[in-house]
Amino acid sequence: EVQLLESGGGLVQPGGSLRLSCAASGFTFSSYSMSWVRQAPGKGLEWVSVINIGGEITKYADSVKGRFTISRDNSKNTVYLQMNSLRVDDTAIYYCTRKKGGANPCDYWGQGTLLTVSS
Amino acid sequence: EIVMTQSPATLSVSPGERATLSCRASQSVSSDLAWYRQKPGQAPRLIMYDASTRATDVPPRFSGSGSGTDFTLTISSLQSEDFAIYYCQQYNDWPQTFGQGTRVEI
Repeated sequence: EVQLLESGGGLVQPGGSLRLSCAASGFTFSSYSMSWVRQAPGKGLEWVSVINIGGEITKYADSVKGRFTISRDNSKNTVYLQMNSLRVDDTAIYYCTRKKGGANPCDYWGQGTLLTVSS
Repeated sequence: EIVMTQSPATLSVSPGERATLSCRASQSVSSDLAWYRQKPGQAPRLIMYDASTRATDVPPRFSGSGSGTDFTLTISSLQSEDFAIYYCQQYNDWPQTFGQGTRVEI
């Protein structure tokens, strides 16, 4: 069974940093691209970032470019999202998702982890 | 970026009735279009991809159509678990944008 378990969310002050983790199981992690999608409270979905199977190709939404960094450790079946210079409008549930490749949909989603940016 | 526009924003339907949801792209996305269903308090779930292919374990009451810029998701006979928010997403180009969602309510 495919499982994606996010962790690392919490309350952070504006300007602060946080790292989210997503532990994957139930599939060959190194064969899939992984991405992060977020959802602000009561709002729709926003794609944030994606990383390819080897970790050498990454892409970001303009809203997070230069502040967020996605990475992966295939030996640990884990993908990360390092978030710096956090803003109030980064407040959201962050979902980890699996993709067969870049030009594919998110076929599995984790349950999400909540990031709150507030003073 | 490609803007995805869903209509209507809210669809009021009775159980057992048909629901038709629309999604329009600001430029062609070929057939690189997915639909997700999100129940309250849950993560989204993929229900349709490549515009018309049902995802794993999705029942046949769900069907998708369209290509280019105009897409439709049809639920032939609404069940209780189908009352949720539906999002379309294009994965033809970066950023892979979502529509704003259609809420299907009783």
